[in-house]
Amino acid sequence: NAGVMQNPRHLVRRRGQEARLRCSPMKGHSHVYWYRQLPEEGLKFMVYLQKENIIDESGMPKERFSAEFPKEGPSILRIQQVVRGDSAAYFCASSPTTGGTGELFFGEGSRLTVL
Amino acid sequence: AQKITQTQPGMFVQEKEAVTLDCTYDTSDQSYGLFWYKQPSSGEMIFLIYQGSYDEQNATEGRYSLNFQKARKSANLVISASQLGDSAMYFCAMREGGNDMRFGAGTRLTVKP
Repeated sequence: NAGVMQNPRHLVRRRGQEARLRCSPMKGHSHVYWYRQLPEEGLKFMVYLQKENIIDESGMPKERFSAEFPKEGPSILRIQQVVRGDSAAYFCASSPTTGGTGELFFGEGSRLTVL
Repeated sequence: AQKITQTQPGMFVQEKEAVTLDCTYDTSDQSYGLFWYKQPSSGEMIFLIYQGSYDEQNATEGRYSLNFQKARKSANLVISASQLGDSAMYFCAMREGGNDMRFGAGTRLTVKP
């Protein structure tokens, strides 16, 4: 009964490279949320996706960042041409339904370090 | 606009004593959920407790209870009989109907032996 799975847990990139973070939601969950946590700060919402659809990307930077949740496979958060300010923990969460006020189930996070 | 406010960046409590972590929120929705998460130094987000806006009784989960005051829009977390393992960051969060979850800035709790 696996929870939300994120990989890699740790990723190191040099400035200008690309980072790809993956998230497999809990079984039966079709809604995925990505959050970013800068050091010593709370989680900031980035994007909310359902299968093959971006529902709300109001928290995602307009440039260099993109997210997808294909029909098959994990959700992917992609950061192009990374900069030092992208160094953060990126959390994925999933939920089974929309329209609710219930719990989101979080993965353990992916920690990106940009050198 | 900030929807979740945690005014205590850091708190200290003596082992075995109770501690209250403050949280206020802002919403015009009638239906919403309030949450507390714990984040230890290892980094994962651990769900602690949930309060629905229509729940009349305060939520409790073991040593955790949520002091829900709807008119004041506050949802304080009370941890009873603190343990050394309770030392962590604590985040208050709110989810309005159908939307994502928004988090406060967090409170760092340190339990002293």
